[in-house]
Amino acid sequence: GQSLEQPSEVTAVEGAIVQINCTYQTSGFYGLSWYQQHDGGAPTFLSYNALDGLEETGRFSSFLSRSDSYGYLLLQELQMKDSASYFCAVITDDKIIFGKGTRLHILP
Amino acid sequence: GAVVSQHPSRVICKSGTSVKIECRSLDFQATTMFWYRQFPKKSLMLMATSNEGSKATYEQGVEKDKFLINHASLTLSTLTVTSAHPEDSSFYICSASLDGGDTQYFGPGTRLTVL
Repeated sequence: GQSLEQPSEVTAVEGAIVQINCTYQTSGFYGLSWYQQHDGGAPTFLSYNALDGLEETGRFSSFLSRSDSYGYLLLQELQMKDSASYFCAVITDDKIIFGKGTRLHILP
Repeated sequence: GAVVSQHPSRVICKSGTSVKIECRSLDFQATTMFWYRQFPKKSLMLMATSNEGSKATYEQGVEKDKFLINHASLTLSTLTVTSAHPEDSSFYICSASLDGGDTQYFGPGTRLTVL
């Protein structure tokens, strides 16, 4: 079967660093995407990894290890506005499979 | 729990035909369902929000007469792409919510290819 696992909730302190992990089991894997979604809004694309390694975009970085079927999203210098749900999604040859999302709570 | 399915997963059709995509919440009742469209490596674009038993609310720029949405029950919403054209080729993804939007559960998506 095909599945994605990510933690349901993570709590961190403003200014800190947090890592949200995603493990997957799929066939026909093309790449891993991350999305941010604030309450009531549509998911916003953050990153896409097709190759192993770390991709950095400002305060956000995304990592992929295809051999381990694992990736993570790293958020640095956390700000209160980063409080949101974060979804990993696997792109295969004929579909996108979303995880159930990780709710990130940020404490002042 | 909270599984959302879509059918079909992939469809290829000729230009000018209509295509219906189903979105079902399998183990919960969804008061609200959302329809998204995604182009490669880009954000999901919200097309419309539908509540069971009422007309869908379409986002600006989405033609309601072209993308017909029906949310007839708490477990089923359908999106019909009428008179499809090649530019309508895309991934169409639905999500379902128990509580009106704060938590959404996504379906696997439907890849539409219009020839």
